[in-house]
Amino acid sequence: EVQLLESGGGLVQPGGSLRLSCEASGFTFSSYAMSWVRQAPGKGLEWVSGISGSGGRTYNADSVKGRFTISRDNSKNTLFLQMNSLRAEDTAVYYCAKDQEMATIVALDIWGQGTMVTVSS
Amino acid sequence: DIQMTQSPSSLSASVGDRVTITCRASQSISSYLNWYQQKPGKAPNLLIYAASSLQSGVPSRFSGGGSGTDFTLTISSLQPEDSATYYCQQTYTTPTFGGGTKVEIK
Repeated sequence: EVQLLESGGGLVQPGGSLRLSCEASGFTFSSYAMSWVRQAPGKGLEWVSGISGSGGRTYNADSVKGRFTISRDNSKNTLFLQMNSLRAEDTAVYYCAKDQEMATIVALDIWGQGTMVTVSS
Repeated sequence: DIQMTQSPSSLSASVGDRVTITCRASQSISSYLNWYQQKPGKAPNLLIYAASSLQSGVPSRFSGGGSGTDFTLTISSLQPEDSATYYCQQTYTTPTFGGGTKVEIK
């Protein structure tokens, strides 16, 4: 069964850091690009970051450039999101998602259950 | 960034009705347009990719159309389990989502 399992969410103070993880199973992880998508409480979806299957290319939304870093460890089938300089507006459920393609972001066909990040003092 | 505008923001229809949701891009995105369904408390689910291709396992009552800047998602015969919020997404450039359309059953 294809599965994505996020972890690492929690409560953090403004200006703090957090690292999210997403463990993949049931498919050849290195063959697909991956993304992080977030959803603030009661709001719509916002694509945050993406990475190619090899990890050689990364993509970021303007709202997180310079603060968030996406990476992956294909030997451990795990995707990461390092979040620094966190702001209240980063509060959201963070989903990891598998792409249909390897090299770039095309369509997100498998999603995890999400992990909640709350930025508050 | 390319802006995606969905309309309507919400709708209410009866079981068996034909429902159409539109999505407009601020510039041409060719056919790099996807549609997702999200039910409360759940992760989104891919319905349509590349504007008109039906994702495996998705009922055939869902269909997508359009290219360039104007796109549609059509549910040919609305079912109770289709009550959800629907989002379009462009992947022509840095991905962006539309604001969503909440579909309710009368």
